[in-house]
Amino acid sequence: GESVGLHLPTLSVQEGDNSIINCAYSNSASDYFIWYKQESGKGPQFIIDIRSNMDKRQGQRVTVLLNKTVKHLSLQIAATQPGDSAVYFCAENMRSGYSTLTFGKGTMLLVSP
Amino acid sequence: KAGVTQTPRYLIKTRGQQVTLSCSPISGHRSVSWYQQTPGQGLQFLFEYFSETQRNKGNFPGRFSGRQFSNSRSEMNVSTLELGDSALYLCASSLGDRSYGYTFGSGTRLTVV
Repeated sequence: GESVGLHLPTLSVQEGDNSIINCAYSNSASDYFIWYKQESGKGPQFIIDIRSNMDKRQGQRVTVLLNKTVKHLSLQIAATQPGDSAVYFCAENMRSGYSTLTFGKGTMLLVSP
Repeated sequence: KAGVTQTPRYLIKTRGQQVTLSCSPISGHRSVSWYQQTPGQGLQFLFEYFSETQRNKGNFPGRFSGRQFSNSRSEMNVSTLELGDSALYLCASSLGDRSYGYTFGSGTRLTVV
């Protein structure tokens, strides 16, 4: 499949390391945030979400941290695996009631065996 | 349950032509949103349809239009194609009632020559 983005920030890690991907969101009115993973030739795949009344949420091997003061999100992936190699996007949704997501530019994660 | 289905997967069109893309949402989902993904601009919101009504629209020219049918299936149309319209077009479905959960299809890769 074709690349989803050129000149994306890239994070290179070794298999088994923990990865941290950061995202600055744009709108202080946003109250819902999602991390997506996108592999080449595929659509974005949901990883984990968090609402603005929380500052941390954990899933299986993933944790999302939300800092509303500085409008910052991070995605932590524990024990990173080669299958985690992909582009990761954060997305925000505002309190408008509409299903509109604003996406960040994305970060490419490369995991070496 | 079946995921979001987008057809066709690939399209090649000539400048000046028009194109129609289709999206079938997850059963029970009433909201369908469309996004354009390019290497330069990333993922950008086009429009959202909920119960056959356009509920929100992004900053795209009027050449981009869409509609939603009573069974929630959606189509988007691009008229008078330009080279810059070459992109991956993604649709996402959700319940649309702020219960959240957005699921993306695999996209339609449009190439304009």
